[in-house]
Amino acid sequence: DVQLQESGPGLVKPSQSLSLTCTVTGYSITSDYAWNWIRQFPGNKLEWMGYISYSGSTSYNPSLKSRISITRDTSKNQFFLQLNSVTTEDTATYYCAMGFDYWGQGTTLTVSS
Amino acid sequence: DIVLTQSPATLSVTPGDSVSLSCRASQSISNNLHWYQQKSHESPRLLIKYASQSISGIPSRFSGSGSGTDFTLSINSVETEDFGMYFCQQSNSWPHTFGAGTKLELK
Repeated sequence: DVQLQESGPGLVKPSQSLSLTCTVTGYSITSDYAWNWIRQFPGNKLEWMGYISYSGSTSYNPSLKSRISITRDTSKNQFFLQLNSVTTEDTATYYCAMGFDYWGQGTTLTVSS
Repeated sequence: DIVLTQSPATLSVTPGDSVSLSCRASQSISNNLHWYQQKSHESPRLLIKYASQSISGIPSRFSGSGSGTDFTLSINSVETEDFGMYFCQQSNSWPHTFGAGTKLELK
């Protein structure tokens, strides 16, 4: 059974960087699929942030400009989200997902001083 | 970016009703349209992919149709477990985008 689990700090101060980890079990992130980060803002709006493919290529939502980076550790079957210079508008629930098919349970991030 | 407009925003129904949820794209997206269900405090669950392809484990009362700019998710005989939010999402062009959702609620 494929499972994804997000982990992160929960609270970040404005202007700092946010780092999240997605740990995948039951499927190798190098086999297939795009490995995605998606966030959901208070009020339910969903935003597709970016992905790292099974081959290691990346694509990012232009709205996030140069603030975002998605990387991976294939030895641990994990992939990561880094978002720089966060503001209160980055407060959201962050999901990792395997393609469209499987999503993690989400991790809530609050940006506040 | 492609804008997806979902209607209605809220749909109040009685168990046993059959319903249709609409998703309209701002430009043609072929069949690259996917539907998700989200219940309170849960992550979205894929119901239908590529407009009409069924997903293993999803009840057969859920079906999808459409292509181009107009898409429909149909639920044949709503059950109490179906209440929640429904989102459409396009993967035709980057960035992938979501609709604002339709809330299916008990009348």
